[in-house]
Amino acid sequence: GAVVSQHPSRVICKSGTSVKIECRSLDFQATTMFWYRQFPKKSLMLMATSNEGSKATYEQGVEKDKFLINHASLTLSTLTVTSAHPEDSSFYICSARPASWNTGELFFGEGSRLTVL
Amino acid sequence: QKEVEQNSGPLSVPEGAIASLNCTYSDRGSQSFFWYRQYSGKSPELIMSIYSNGDKEDGRFTAQLNKASQYVSLLIRDSQPSDSATYLCAVSWGAQKLVFGQGTRLTINP
Repeated sequence: GAVVSQHPSRVICKSGTSVKIECRSLDFQATTMFWYRQFPKKSLMLMATSNEGSKATYEQGVEKDKFLINHASLTLSTLTVTSAHPEDSSFYICSARPASWNTGELFFGEGSRLTVL
Repeated sequence: QKEVEQNSGPLSVPEGAIASLNCTYSDRGSQSFFWYRQYSGKSPELIMSIYSNGDKEDGRFTAQLNKASQYVSLLIRDSQPSDSATYLCAVSWGAQKLVFGQGTRLTINP
């Protein structure tokens, strides 16, 4: 399977600061990456679709100015949580599939657990 | 609104028995179906994919798809304690985003 790497795996920050999470496809190119958020004992909720070289597509109810997404290359997407607050504490997971694949499976990064104090 | 429904469980199965996990989806245009396993505190891991009606077997896992009933299931034979996890059903349309069910928490009892 394809390998997706995410960093950092854990981050603790103070309220009001910004946190950047990186997602890299290690052995394939990805024109599209997906950012999910998961609360404890809940399922994955898609936040946004990251498109290489263009603006991200955000799901309904997700604040684009709060969650900044940049997909500057075919192997890297970043999610920045701006002015983080305790309610932003969650497990953030990125995913991707090789650009040449036309099936739906996604490969996930290890996830980043954000705790905002 | 495309929806994927699973029984959240918990589902308890004795070791060595067959665990049966079920999932229904709302959109008849759905094309691809997946089962992911997620251990506590970890990200999901793809264990099965199925695209056409019928059964697909991979080791102790069998995925079953019935598009007419909009139903997909996962059977785990000879269940092991290491199979204890949350199992997420996911559905997609072509190469689009995945929509996940809420997950079924499975516990295998030694």
